[in-house]
Formats: sequence, C-alpha cells, structure tokens
Amino acid sequence: EAQVTQNPRYLITVTGKKLTVTCSQNMNHEYMSWYRQDPGLGLRQIYYSMNVEVTDKGDVPEGYKVSRKEKRNFPLILESPSPNQTSLYFCASSLGWGSLHFGNGTRLTVT
Amino acid sequence: SQQGEEDPQALSIQEGENATMNCSYKTSINNLQWYRQNSGRGLVHLILIRSNEREKHSGRLRVTLDTSKKSSSLLITASRAADTASYFCATWGGADGLTFGKGTHLIIQP
Repeated sequence: EAQVTQNPRYLITVTGKKLTVTCSQNMNHEYMSWYRQDPGLGLRQIYYSMNVEVTDKGDVPEGYKVSRKEKRNFPLILESPSPNQTSLYFCASSLGWGSLHFGNGTRLTVT
Repeated sequence: SQQGEEDPQALSIQEGENATMNCSYKTSINNLQWYRQNSGRGLVHLILIRSNEREKHSGRLRVTLDTSKKSSSLLITASRAADTASYFCATWGGADGLTFGKGTHLIIQP
C-alpha cells in the first residue's frame, strides 16, 4: 500500500532533549516536506527536499534540522526542543509537482 | 512563504446547500491544489488545477482558477454532513515547494 509513515504519533518530551521524528515513503517520490500545524495558522512549511541530498528551508526552519540521505526517508530533528515547538507535525511527499500524500501526523508536546 | 489565503475563515451552511470557498495567492504558480482535513488528521488531496486550466470538476467539486486575479474557488454542491472539515488551498510556484493557506473551516448543519 502506498503510504507515508511517520513515527511516533504522539510524543511528550522536556525542553532541551534532542528528538527525531521519522518519515518514510514507499512511492519513490522525489519531493518530501515537513509542516507544522498550529491553531489559526494553517500549515507552515518547515523544510522541504526536492531530491536526495537537496534540502531547503521553508517558512519556519528555526530550531529544526533535516537530512535526505535516501530517497524514502526524511527525518525531522529537533536538537534542543523548546515549548514553542509544541505542535502537530506532518510529513508529506509527492512525485514532481503533483499532489501531496500526507502522513498521519505527530503530536509533539514539549514541557 | 505562505502563499494562499482562504476566505472565509469559517462557513456554516445547511445540509444540501452549496458551499463556496475562495483562495487568493501572491506569485505565479505551476498549479493550485485543494485539500480537506478532518479534525487533527492528515490532509487528503481533493483536486489539482494547472495554471493553464480555468475550471475543473470532480464529482460534487468544482474548482475555478483565475490567474489574472491570482485567485481560485472551490464549490461543493449538495453538501453532506460528511463534508464538515477544514479545506486548504496550496500552490506550487517557484522554488518554495508546496505552500498552504490557513484554511476554511466548513460546518454542515443537519
């Protein structure tokens, strides 16, 4: 089944403790992206990647890192999480400039 | 940066009525897409319209695109309770990847 898999679904952590949210797709898509969703702000793009070893900043990249060493994986790394990074995170992928396939989301709480 | 902006922010209608949502964007685009999100879940792609297209239909959905006004509209005909959701427009343009607006929250009253 074609899908984007994000893990974990829920995560509660403390300020400063490094964490990684994994994202994997099995559709051989070139484009992958991370978004955060906060009430009233819609989806804001954090980082995106047009292909392997190519990553670019989105609207809100501060405090986040990504890597794209393989086509299928696009992990989101928070080196030192802070409470303002408490949010709902989505990973998505697409083939070229087509429609996005979304993961089920990761609800992160930083205390 | 966030390109699209949906209007209205919220819309409540009776079941069976038509719902219209609008989207405005800022720069030239390759295509514009509409997505639906049920509360807290991942977004689901509804329809894609290319910059050289003016209108597209898919079931009860009708999308129009006016590139001269940098705007699009999504019409849902004969609404159902299951259409209650948030709707987002998203644009592919330039080197910014696919960016979304803040969404329209649609409530269908039974």
